[in-house]
Amino acid sequence: NAGVTQTPKFRILKIGQSMTLQCAQDMNHNYMYWYRQDPGMGLKLIYYSVGAGITDKGEVPNGYNVSRSTTEDFPLRLELAAPSQTSVYFCASSAFIGGGARGAFFGQGTRLTVV
Amino acid sequence: DAKTTQPNSMESNEEEPVHLPCNHSTISGTDYIHWYRQLPSQGPEYVIHGLTSNVNNRMASLAIAEDRKSSTLILHRATLRDAAVYYCILRDDFNFGNEKLTFGTGTRLTIIP
Repeated sequence: NAGVTQTPKFRILKIGQSMTLQCAQDMNHNYMYWYRQDPGMGLKLIYYSVGAGITDKGEVPNGYNVSRSTTEDFPLRLELAAPSQTSVYFCASSAFIGGGARGAFFGQGTRLTVV
Repeated sequence: DAKTTQPNSMESNEEEPVHLPCNHSTISGTDYIHWYRQLPSQGPEYVIHGLTSNVNNRMASLAIAEDRKSSTLILHRATLRDAAVYYCILRDDFNFGNEKLTFGTGTRLTIIP
């Protein structure tokens, strides 16, 4: 299985440009997430989804939008990119992993630089 | 989610056991203890989780204190490939409204050849 696949792996954007970060999972997981990780820091939740058609904000949603039209795909849209959005973005999905707990499965990340 | 405290960094010699501590004195009765690790330039990966009892899997062991206010991730025989940042995370998995895994800065583990 491919697991969680993110594209692109790297991208440079100019200030004010827009782009969509793609995320797809083939594990039929209902829960999906977008995190960002700034240098030397932990991950911060941007948005999450508990199923197709249902999304909700995380800790740092400003400047981003998401949609979830299928179970497999959870794209993250950046409108009007700003230097503060320079970061590594991780997509994840989650499922029950035993004993009632849920575990997360992460993609390899998209490294975004806004100049 | 309850807060966890981990050392910023640790070093260990290759092929020796490693004990990574985590303090979580405000843990609630429904918080699971999750451990993830992040290898260089990769996304985090699940290592192990537990609720009350010690747990073992192919990657590691998790020792949970009797009062649950601390836990220790044990790598039985560290290799160079275990060099990573290790995150100890609490989450109430009984609450379906709580979706967030709260990542702190973790412990950066360096393995000395």
